[in-house]
Amino acid sequence: DSGVTQTPKHLITATGQRVTLRCSPRSGDLSVYWYQQSLDQGLQFLIQYYNGEERAKGNILERFSAQQFPDLHSELNLSSLELGDSALYFCASSATTGGSRNTGELFFGEGSRLTVL
Amino acid sequence: GQNIDQPTEMTATEGAIVQINCTYQTSGFNGLFWYQQHAGEAPTFLSYNVLDGLEEKGRFSSFLSRSKGYSYLLLKELQMKDSASYLCAVTRNDYKLSFGAGTTVTVRA
Repeated sequence: DSGVTQTPKHLITATGQRVTLRCSPRSGDLSVYWYQQSLDQGLQFLIQYYNGEERAKGNILERFSAQQFPDLHSELNLSSLELGDSALYFCASSATTGGSRNTGELFFGEGSRLTVL
Repeated sequence: GQNIDQPTEMTATEGAIVQINCTYQTSGFNGLFWYQQHAGEAPTFLSYNVLDGLEEKGRFSSFLSRSKGYSYLLLKELQMKDSASYLCAVTRNDYKLSFGAGTTVTVRA
């Protein structure tokens, strides 16, 4: 158990719909990362938050948004869903300190598997 | 942008040694991770290299050459449970952490 909790574990929805994926980082970790992993593809970096602020952005679509709340949990919102959005969405957290550019070990949640029909 | 290249697949025999290479091109390089991922599961941390050289941790070792943009993960005394995808990941000074597509290692008896 990595200590990172993601909900829901599985989600099936229809095209055009909107879903919210939730992540609770390890206790004390200030950084949260979101990744998308499609079938037989690598982990695609979406976005990173540190202590409530967006820190780095990857190839995240405009239809997707995220935020990190004061209690450090994070949500990834996916809207106007398309078939190609079906994937495993991972959240990871790390104990990166504010002044350090060293990422530190990432601890991954079990992922949320999204299926868009 | 950045490129991270690693072989797609490798096969080895139980008890053998396998070396997985990773080359990268990126600006603002900060460090390099190796993660293991079994199918359908979350990636788990194996190693982190910031400085040039070899880091050894049990049966697994990781090497980094910053000047060459090159790393390898060495798996010794292979076991069946080592069959998995091995992901090379690069961190940058802008906090981005990007993964390669992964190398699927199959261990045969």
